[in-house]
Amino acid sequence: GAVVSQHPSRVICKSGTSVKIECRSLDFQATTMFWYRQFPKKSLMLMATSNEGSKATYEQGVEKDKFLINHASLTLSTLTVTSAHPEDSSFYICSARGRDRASGEQYFGPGTRLTVT
Amino acid sequence: AQKVTQAQTEISVVEKEDVTLDCVYETRDTTYYLFWYKQPPSGELVFLIRRNSFDEQNEISGRYSWNFQKSTSSFNFTITASQVVDSAVYFCALRPISGGYNKLIFGAGTRLAVHP
Repeated sequence: GAVVSQHPSRVICKSGTSVKIECRSLDFQATTMFWYRQFPKKSLMLMATSNEGSKATYEQGVEKDKFLINHASLTLSTLTVTSAHPEDSSFYICSARGRDRASGEQYFGPGTRLTVT
Repeated sequence: AQKVTQAQTEISVVEKEDVTLDCVYETRDTTYYLFWYKQPPSGELVFLIRRNSFDEQNEISGRYSWNFQKSTSSFNFTITASQVVDSAVYFCALRPISGGYNKLIFGAGTRLAVHP
């Protein structure tokens, strides 16, 4: 159990276009989902916390108008990178928090590698 | 401050050697959880262990073992008889629980290369 999927796994887009990444919890309901960004050979940096039915909470320095997050259901959160530029190229990983909220255990998706040309 | 330090950026060992990955954390909270994750070249994070701050018992799972010492704020991870398949980046993470603080705070990661 506790499987999280992401789609697409890889995407290449042209500068100036928008890209949507989906994160789904397949076998559990996730009231909270997290979006991380990982640059090559770097650690995961939390971008935002997404709660179902409410606005996402963004970390300091993350542009909310550029990285649009929607968490419309208990099993789906989406991240849209708007007007993407080459510097947005990165590995984006989502995670979903399971029922055991106290432990904070997060189940991670396989990641989406975004390349902006 | 809430922080996780993995001082070892890269470690290279030969197969069958034992290797210890260090993790030191800082938190004001008395209640917290610690995690280790493995990230193989495919990129997917693999959960290895979760430990809460009230449980200082060391844990062993096959070739993996963890040493949690609150006195030194460390949660070190040892791989015994390493194998090539252990090659990956390993992340230690902290989740403080009090005050509704929901974030996982990751260390910088340690890249482990196990050579045949």
